[in-house]
Amino acid sequence: NAGVMQNPRHLVRRRGQEARLRCSPMKGHSHVYWYRQLPEEGLKFMVYLQKENIIDESGMPKERFSAEFPKEGPSILRIQQVVRGDSAAYFCASSRGLAYNEQFFGPGTRLTVL
Amino acid sequence: AQSVSQHNHHVILSEAASLELGCNYSYGGTVNLFWYVQYPGQHLQLLLKYFSGDPLVKGIKGFEAEFIKSKFSFNLRKPSVQWSDTAEYFCAVIAGNAGNMLTFGGGTRLMVKP
Repeated sequence: NAGVMQNPRHLVRRRGQEARLRCSPMKGHSHVYWYRQLPEEGLKFMVYLQKENIIDESGMPKERFSAEFPKEGPSILRIQQVVRGDSAAYFCASSRGLAYNEQFFGPGTRLTVL
Repeated sequence: AQSVSQHNHHVILSEAASLELGCNYSYGGTVNLFWYVQYPGQHLQLLLKYFSGDPLVKGIKGFEAEFIKSKFSFNLRKPSVQWSDTAEYFCAVIAGNAGNMLTFGGGTRLMVKP
């Protein structure tokens, strides 16, 4: 069974460019979560999505960040006009459903903004 | 908002030493508690979890954790560590009012010397 897949694993962008991070959940999982880990910090929740719905985006910065989980295809975390402070590891997790189900994590995407 | 504190940022032990990593959370209601481990170069994996019932939880690889409600704590223990336990350990909480959102502690880097 393939686990949660994220690509790319490493992404380098210059300030002002767009970053698109992709996450394919485990087979049978319809819930996707995005977390961000800044240097020397723990993971911080960003957004929780089900297919075609954003359930909780309380951790998303108000500007430049957006997420989607379309009916077909991976979940996408999009960061527009990246700044140096966006440099971080972005982790995706998936689960079957509510809190009683374990969230399985992907390997993360390390974004570096030059 | 709930928060999670891990008191030790870095721990260095010799093989066969006993391990206890502290974790405290701030939320007065029902919580689901987790310990995740991230081995070098790998993604986060679940070590153990507590939802209800026996407050002493057994996990994989000989780890256990004890939920002490009165102390808002969920400390991780292992009687005898091995070199292969070298990793970063994260405590995480889902508070009763937080849906599926995991709140992570800052992590503890454990180095086990052979």
